[in-house]
Amino acid sequence: QVQLQESGPGLVRPSETLSLTCTVSGGSISSYYWNWIRQPPGKGLEWIAYINYSGTTKSNPSLNSRVTISVDTSKNQVSLKVTSVTAADTAVYFCARELYSNSFDAWGQGTLVIVSS
Amino acid sequence: QSALTQPRSVSGSPGQSITISCTGTSSDIGDYNYVSWYQQHPGKAPKLILYHVTKRPSGVPDRFSGSKSGNTASLTVSGLQAEDEAVYYCCSYAGSYTFVLFGGGTRLTVL
Repeated sequence: QVQLQESGPGLVRPSETLSLTCTVSGGSISSYYWNWIRQPPGKGLEWIAYINYSGTTKSNPSLNSRVTISVDTSKNQVSLKVTSVTAADTAVYFCARELYSNSFDAWGQGTLVIVSS
Repeated sequence: QSALTQPRSVSGSPGQSITISCTGTSSDIGDYNYVSWYQQHPGKAPKLILYHVTKRPSGVPDRFSGSKSGNTASLTVSGLQAEDEAVYYCCSYAGSYTFVLFGGGTRLTVL
């Protein structure tokens, strides 16, 4: 059974870059799309971006210019960077596998990132 | 593009059925059969319970069912159980620009 684990700093200062890694175990990173989705405290879900094993990417237009997503197939890892963060970027960040179009069947436990000075 | 519209809360007694609506537009729900639903318990990651409008992943009880009419998708939970109490999110593909939209979430309370 595939497992996803997010990791990264829990605190990021305003205007800096948020960097997170999702490590996939129990399965190959190939043949699927891998997504980042976030959830501000007490609020709903927001899709951030996806990448597939060959490096094809797509990101939310509202975040497009600030988001970079990458994949390292040798390490079975997917990474996310969000630049110029503000308090509005404070959220639990989840990585999720997309099994079929628009269906996220496996999720990490999520990691809380707080943007504060 | 705005998030999909869901009621903030619904409730029902054990054994009853409830339906949660998810309203979008002709550019998302109305144009694609790529609607999925997620169940989220407090402090947990969302769990996929329906995809492609009506399909259930392995292990999801058939008490959960989905449908779509026009720009609105619906999730029906039959035979409510205490463990169904959670927040439910709908999600739709929204075309090659916007790509993925979520609803704001609906809190289901089992009375």
